[in-house]
Amino acid sequence: GESVGLHLPTLSVQEGDNSIINCAYSNSASDYFIWYKQESGKGPQFIIDIRSNMDKRQGQRVTVLLNKTVKHLSLQIAATQPGDSAVYFCAENRGFGNEKLTFGTGTRLTIIP
Amino acid sequence: NAGVTQTPKFQVLKTGQSMTLQCAQDMNHNSMYWYRQDPGMGLRLIYYSASEGTTDKGEVPNGYNVSRLNKREFSLRLESAAPSQTSVYFCASSERVGTVGNTIYFGEGSWLTVV
Repeated sequence: GESVGLHLPTLSVQEGDNSIINCAYSNSASDYFIWYKQESGKGPQFIIDIRSNMDKRQGQRVTVLLNKTVKHLSLQIAATQPGDSAVYFCAENRGFGNEKLTFGTGTRLTIIP
Repeated sequence: NAGVTQTPKFQVLKTGQSMTLQCAQDMNHNSMYWYRQDPGMGLRLIYYSASEGTTDKGEVPNGYNVSRLNKREFSLRLESAAPSQTSVYFCASSERVGTVGNTIYFGEGSWLTVV
């Protein structure tokens, strides 16, 4: 069946290093993708999004890469900080509108001081 | 700026009891949502409201009812709670449904346990 998944459930990175979190999707019709950050005990927080007509989009310390050929999405966080420790998950939009978003299960990123 | 506020934060219910989760947003958004989040699963949409006066089923609506009280408030009701409804519930809002690119803002979550 179609799904949004993550390659690694946990990831530990040394403070100051770069981290890469991956996400696979299987619906080639998905045209919009979002990365969320969820800290313990809190709601998801929007990080960055990308449309299917783009390969790369950059924000502040974050970059999202989209490879439509292999249906793969990644989130790169540069110069990680302790505050980056959280669960990160991707979401794909399989149709019109926010109500059609499908969320992945998440990767827990731990920043080691 | 409070954003999306939901209450209660924690609740324990007995099987068969009813309760209502309250949600309010102060961003003048048209659309509001209720999601549930379970271990090992992504957020799943229960119900949404595209605009004041309208509600629609999401992916997992069974066992729930909603009310869009006004533009600010969107409540979720469990009429007869079941252990399978033990979950973390998130209310969210955005400018509108039907398009992409407008950010969804989430509340802090409500932890519900049904025993």
